[in-house]
Formats: sequence, structure tokens, C-alpha cells
Amino acid sequence: AQSVTQPDIHITVSEGASLELRCNYSYGATPYLFWYVQSPGQGLQLLLKYFSGDTLVQGIKGFEAEFKRSQSSFNLRKPSVHWSDAAEYFCAVGNDYKLSFGAGTTVTVRA
Amino acid sequence: DADVTQTPRNRITKTGKRIMLECSQTKGHDRMYWYRQDPGLGLRLIYYSFDVKDINKGEISDGYSVSRQAQAKFSLSLESAIPNQTALYFCATSDLGGYTFGSGTRLTVV
Repeated sequence: AQSVTQPDIHITVSEGASLELRCNYSYGATPYLFWYVQSPGQGLQLLLKYFSGDTLVQGIKGFEAEFKRSQSSFNLRKPSVHWSDAAEYFCAVGNDYKLSFGAGTTVTVRA
Repeated sequence: DADVTQTPRNRITKTGKRIMLECSQTKGHDRMYWYRQDPGLGLRLIYYSFDVKDINKGEISDGYSVSRQAQAKFSLSLESAIPNQTALYFCATSDLGGYTFGSGTRLTVV
């Protein structure tokens, strides 16, 4: 069975500071891994995805994520957050046929 | 037009009423999905369909049914709505690992 754990329910970060969101997964093979962002009242926007190849993945809005097979992790990072990064972030794992989501991490950005 | 369109965007309905949420897509994908989102729980899979004749239950299908009317259309029904079905519902399509989500339907059951 596939599952995703996002250990941090809520993170507060200062504008300009770095951000790291954790994601751990359980999956029987090499998974497809995704990070989505949801701004208040909005739908899901894909930040980045990993299928294979280079384990450091670059996404939109200055985000990147690193796939670490040995740790079953796919953590999301951004070197310097902007106030507009305040949102809820979801990690997802799956394949061509099914996607499972974590419970999400809410990011608050303080001035 | 959006690749995946959900209607309605918002709906308030009464307990016991039947309600249908509709989803249509222009991606040409065979695979379609219905998820619900609840605070603190992320998105959970309700039903999924790999083609018109292939429909499968997800992790939380009780109280829901679906209809795949065509490759492009996948509807979710609540036969007798109850308050704990109040949630944000997302439709999605996929192809070769690429998932496209609709904007969501916010359903409130009173």
C-alpha cells in the first residue's frame, strides 16, 4: 500500500528565510512523487514532480525537492520565501494509475 | 477553457437530498478520479475510472456513486447527502503520470 506522511502540520517562517517541508512515503517500487500548493480558496497547483533521473528536481516559483530513496523522503525547499508563498502544501506519491496525498503542511509567512 | 471543468463551483444542499457533481475534461485522458479534501486529512480518493467501462472504488467510496458517461465526463453522486460529506471535491485526470486537477466543488450539506 502506498502512503504519505507530512510530519509538520504548520510551519511559520519569516519572509526571506529558507523553507523546508518534509515528506516521507511508503511505496513498493520507485514512485512518482509530486508537490502541490493550494492557496486559500484555490485549487491545486503542481510545483514539481519526480519520475526518474536526477534526484534533485527544480520546480516553479523557486522551489526544489530532493528524492532520497534510502530515507523514503522527498523534501521540498525554497532558499528565500516570499509572502505569496503562504499556502498549504501537499506531497503526493503514486504511479500512472493512482495518487495518494499527505495531510498537508500549512505555511505562514511573517513579515 | 480549463482542461478539467467541475460544476457547480459551490453548492449548499440539505441532508437527505440527492446531488450530482459533474466533471468534464478536454485532455483526452482515459483515467479520471474523484477526491475529497478535508482539513487535516489532505485529499482522499473516492472513485477512479480507467476507461468508460472500468470504474473502481477508492479508499472512501461509501455514500458515493459515480458514472462515466463518456471518456470526457465523470460524475459523482451523493444519493442521500449527510453533513459529514461537507468537503471540497476535486476531479482529476491523468496520463503517463501527469495529473490535472479541476478547480474544485465546495459542497456544504446542512
